[in-house]
Amino acid sequence: DIVMTQTPLSSPVTLGQPASISCRSSQGLVHSNGNTYLSWLQQRPGQPPRLLIYEISNRFSGVPDRFSGSGAGTDFTLKISRVEAEDVGLYYCMQATQFPWTFGQGTKVEIK
Amino acid sequence: EVQLVESGGGLVQPGGSLRLSCAASGFTFSSYWMHWVRQAPGQGFMWVSGIKSDGITTTYADSVKGRFTISRDNAKNTLFLEMNSLRVEDTAVYYCVPGTIAAGRDWGQGTLVTVSS
Repeated sequence: DIVMTQTPLSSPVTLGQPASISCRSSQGLVHSNGNTYLSWLQQRPGQPPRLLIYEISNRFSGVPDRFSGSGAGTDFTLKISRVEAEDVGLYYCMQATQFPWTFGQGTKVEIK
Repeated sequence: EVQLVESGGGLVQPGGSLRLSCAASGFTFSSYWMHWVRQAPGQGFMWVSGIKSDGITTTYADSVKGRFTISRDNAKNTLFLEMNSLRVEDTAVYYCVPGTIAAGRDWGQGTLVTVSS
C-alpha cells in the first residue's frame, strides 16, 4: 500500500498569514494513464470531508483561490495564502492512483 | 447536485452483522466505480472497498476481506456493504464515495457503525 505522510500534524497560524502542509507518498503517484490522482480534503468539525484540490493542483469548483496545490513525484504541498477563520479544521491528502486509496494522517489548522 | 445518503448503521455486538446502503442521485451512478471509506472516531480515513460500474469487479482492504461484501443495484442507484463478523475496530462512520476523476469530490453525511458489547 502507498503510505501518505503529512507534515506538520498541527499548524497554528495567525489570521491573514500563510499556511503550508506537506504530503509525501511512499511511491510515485503517476497513474498508467499519465494522471496523478492526488487530492486535498478539508474536514470541519462534525462535517464530512470537502474536496479542495484534485490532481495535485486543480482547485475544485467553489474553492477560494487562497487555496493552491503543487508538487510532483512523491512530494506535494497545499498552501493557504492568507488563513481565514473559516479555514480552521483538519486537512488530508489522499491518493486514488492505486488501490487501496490511502490518506495522510491529517493536519490540524488552528488560529493562534 | 450530487447526493449520497448512507443508512443502515447502528449498534451491534462483536461478531454481529449489518448491511449499509447508499442512495445516490445527481450523477450517472451506473458509470462510476463506487467506494466505501470509513473514519473511526477521532481518526483519519481508511478505504474499505470498491466496486466497478458493472457490479462484477470488486476490491477490499485486507482488514475486511472475507468479512465484508460490496454490491450495487444500478437500476436503483444504490450501493451496499454487507458487514459480517464485525469487530470493535470496525467502529467508524462509513461513507460512500464515487470514483470520480476528481478523487474525493463527493461525500455523504455517513452512517455510524458502533461495534460494542
